[in-house]
Amino acid sequence: GAVVSQHPSRVICKSGTSVKIECRSLDFQATTMFWYRQFPKQSLMLMATSNEGSKATYEQGVEKDKFLINHASLTLSTLTVTSAHPEDSSFYICSARVAPSSYEQYFGPGTRLTVT
Amino acid sequence: AQKVTQAQTEISVVEKEDVTLDCVYETRDTTYYLFWYKQPPSGELVFLIRRNSFDEQNEISGRYSWNFQKSTSSFNFTITASQVVDSAVYFCALSEGGGYDSNYQLIWGAGTKLIIKP
Repeated sequence: GAVVSQHPSRVICKSGTSVKIECRSLDFQATTMFWYRQFPKQSLMLMATSNEGSKATYEQGVEKDKFLINHASLTLSTLTVTSAHPEDSSFYICSARVAPSSYEQYFGPGTRLTVT
Repeated sequence: AQKVTQAQTEISVVEKEDVTLDCVYETRDTTYYLFWYKQPPSGELVFLIRRNSFDEQNEISGRYSWNFQKSTSSFNFTITASQVVDSAVYFCALSEGGGYDSNYQLIWGAGTKLIIKP
C-alpha cells in the first residue's frame, strides 16, 4: 500500500515553455503533499507544502509565481514550472502524507526535468 | 534549530566489508522521528527505517542495522557484508513531532554516497 506515482518520469522542454508534473496517491487519500527539488549530488530541498483545498505554503526563496502548485483533490497534486529556464533543470520529487497527524511521507519516483 | 549532519560525503569499500554511515542530528523537541532512505542511481527514494525518539532500541534487518543513541544525538547505519547492490546515496532525515497541525516536515542530511567495489 501507500503508493505514490509521478508523471512524467522524464521531460525535456524548451526554454520559455511551461511544464506540468503530476503527483498521485494511488491507494490512499493524501491530505498533505510535499514538493522537493534535488540538484545533482545534492540533498532534497523542500519547495512547498500543499494541503488539499488550500493554497500551498512555499519555502523561502521559492518563487510561487514560477512554481504553481495545485492540490485540488485528495489524490492529486500538480506542480507547474512556468516559463522554464535551463536553471530549472532538476529532479523533482513529490511525497504524500496520509493524515494530518501522520508523520509518514510516501515518496513518488521523481521527475527529471531538462530545459534546453 | 533542527539540523541533520552526515559528515561523510562519500565512502568507498570493497565488497563484503562492513561499513557504517554516520548521522548526527540536532533538535529541541522531545518528540521526533528519524529516518534513513536509500537513493539508487534511478533516483527513487527507498524507505529503510523510521525510529521515534522514545525508542532507543537498536534494530537489525538482515545485513542492515541501526544504532540510535540519544546521548550523542546519533543515528548511525551499518551495512554488514556489503554488496555491490548497496551502492547508492543514503540520506538520514529528521521530522519533529508536533501538534495536530504539524506538517512533520523532513529535515534532510546532505547524504552519503556509498560505493561498493566488486
